[in-house]
Amino acid sequence: QVQLQESGPGLMKPSGTLSLTCGVSGASISDSHWWNWVRQAPGKGLEWIGEIHHSGATNYNPSLKSRISISVDKSHNQVSLKLNSVTAADTAVYYCAKVSEVLCSGVTCLLGFDSWGQGTLVTVSS
Amino acid sequence: DIVMTQSPDSLAVSLGETATINCKSSQSILHSSNSKNYLAWFQQKPGQPPKLLIYWASTRDSGVPGRISGSGSGTDFTLTISSLQAEDVAVYYCQQYYDIPRTFGQGTKLEIK
Repeated sequence: QVQLQESGPGLMKPSGTLSLTCGVSGASISDSHWWNWVRQAPGKGLEWIGEIHHSGATNYNPSLKSRISISVDKSHNQVSLKLNSVTAADTAVYYCAKVSEVLCSGVTCLLGFDSWGQGTLVTVSS
Repeated sequence: DIVMTQSPDSLAVSLGETATINCKSSQSILHSSNSKNYLAWFQQKPGQPPKLLIYWASTRDSGVPGRISGSGSGTDFTLTISSLQAEDVAVYYCQQYYDIPRTFGQGTKLEIK
């Protein structure tokens, strides 16, 4: 069973760079998965941030694209998110989640976001 | 962006009855290459991460009880929870993963009447 565990600073000041990591156990970062980041502001809905493929390909939310970077660290089997120039609007619980690729009649299909970490709350405040 | 619109925003259903949540996408999310609707349903309880219930619009994830089902294709989808139990109280989200950015519905809060 795949387990994901996010870690981050908890509290940070505006204009700084948020750095989060997602440790993966029960699967390899190099397996056929997409590794995603999703966030949820207090009392609000879910916002997709971006994803990285085991090949290194990335997709980002255009609303955040200029400020984010997602990478993998194969030696530590973890995924990282960097978000720069943070403001109070970036205060949220940040989740990492896995999407698996499978073959469907010879074509690649994506399963759903089937594994999630417990999330880490990041508060941006001066 | 593909906009996902859920209805209702909240509903209250009696124990043992059926809850129905609708989700509409602003464009078709049926993948032509594999005939899969890239539509998922999640359940989220307070203080917990979302839990995948349904993917490909109608396929239950492992361990999800048979009284929870998904249906629909193209742009209109439904989550049905029959024989409602107290443990079903949660917020439910639909999500499309057909296109970038992946987008979620605004959520539907399910309560017991």
